[in-house]
Amino acid sequence: GAGVSQSPSNKVTEKGKDVELRCDPISGHTALYWYRQSLGQGLEFLIYFQGNSAPDKSGLPSDRFSAERTGGSVSTLTIQRTQQEDSAVYLCASSLWGDGSPLHFGNGTRLTVT
Amino acid sequence: AQTVTQSQPEMSVQEAETVTLSCTYDTSESDYYLFWYKQPPSRQMILVIRQEAYKQQNATENRFSVNFQKAAKSFSLKISDSQLGDAAMYFCAYRSVQNNNDMRFGAGTRLTVKP
Repeated sequence: GAGVSQSPSNKVTEKGKDVELRCDPISGHTALYWYRQSLGQGLEFLIYFQGNSAPDKSGLPSDRFSAERTGGSVSTLTIQRTQQEDSAVYLCASSLWGDGSPLHFGNGTRLTVT
Repeated sequence: AQTVTQSQPEMSVQEAETVTLSCTYDTSESDYYLFWYKQPPSRQMILVIRQEAYKQQNATENRFSVNFQKAAKSFSLKISDSQLGDAAMYFCAYRSVQNNNDMRFGAGTRLTVKP
């Protein structure tokens, strides 16, 4: 079946503009994660969705960042008033819930703020 | 909070040789899962291997195997018969059982394979 799909693959935006990044998880996966990866760095946890539970937003770096997941499927990460330090690759992953199920990642969106 | 440490920012191996990537973690939990992921330049994160903490037997997947030392909180990855396609960033990851949303990654090790 299809894997995790993210769009766009690349996004260049001007400082101060808002951007929306989309993630389409694997069908049937109830858990969805967003991570940020700066150049050559590890993965920074941003937000987690699990079914109908309240999302874990503990990793969001500021109130300019928000995310939603509609119908338990597609998720959108929104960054308002982008700053140059927001430039990074944003990775989305989904998994089944429990039993240590591995995360399945999308190819990421490379965001460049000029 | 659990932390994952990869102390080797970069490693290099000759093609066909064996290399071991180190990973240690800190946790107060007794049950959890450990993973190694590979990220080639395409930036697609690919699962390499998975280990359940309650299993003493080390996981293996073809040329990839782990040395899981629970008491030492160590989880190293051994790549045998290294191939050029193994060149990538490798990330060690910890997933909590008690807190299912807690999935933490190390900083990564960049592996270079020399022909």
